[in-house]
Amino acid sequence: GQQVMQIPQYQHVQEGEDFTTYCNSSTTLSNIQWYKQRPGGHPVFLIQLVKSGEVKKQKRLTFQFGEAKKNSSLHITATQTTDVGTYFCAGGQNSGYALNFGKGTSLLVTP
Amino acid sequence: EADIYQTPRYLVIGTGKKITLECSQTMGHDKMYWYQQDPGMELHLIHYSYGVNSTEKGDLSSESTVSRIRTEHFPLTLESARPSHTSQYLCASSGQGNQPQHFGDGTRLSIL
Repeated sequence: GQQVMQIPQYQHVQEGEDFTTYCNSSTTLSNIQWYKQRPGGHPVFLIQLVKSGEVKKQKRLTFQFGEAKKNSSLHITATQTTDVGTYFCAGGQNSGYALNFGKGTSLLVTP
Repeated sequence: EADIYQTPRYLVIGTGKKITLECSQTMGHDKMYWYQQDPGMELHLIHYSYGVNSTEKGDLSSESTVSRIRTEHFPLTLESARPSHTSQYLCASSGQGNQPQHFGDGTRLSIL
């Protein structure tokens, strides 16, 4: 079945440094979604990408969807302590199937 | 803000007890899901439903069962709890097509 691999598993940065997490699927995706889970909280939807090569920005966060629709990345510029949490990508193949979540990247930001 | 509710938030109970975790949503979503997540770890899909009277098992084998008699309600039941069932259980729902999933606050379950 479809697998979504996400790296790195953990990332520890100093506040102000950049951060990137990568997501790769074994099959072509119809869409990819990104979620953030704060420590002790539940996953919260951030964004959805559907088009080949799509790039979306949310303030310091930049999301990309690969040309082949098999990979995606989330880049955070100048991290802040409020960025701490686990970032999950989730790939969808079509509207009839549940999302496949990656294992997540846990980000720790120290002041 | 999404309207999806899980009860209880925390449950500590002895081995062998029957447990039902409640999940309700007021958004009229057809799709609902149950995930199991250990602290700081990945999300494991254990059950999902695409509508009333529809339930499917997820990727992670689970001894729990679910039912979907009403659109808004998707309870999860453990007939005989064991310490290996200790985990956090997250419920989610989504609308038509590839709409994003909205998660509840979760139930943290501890089986002694």
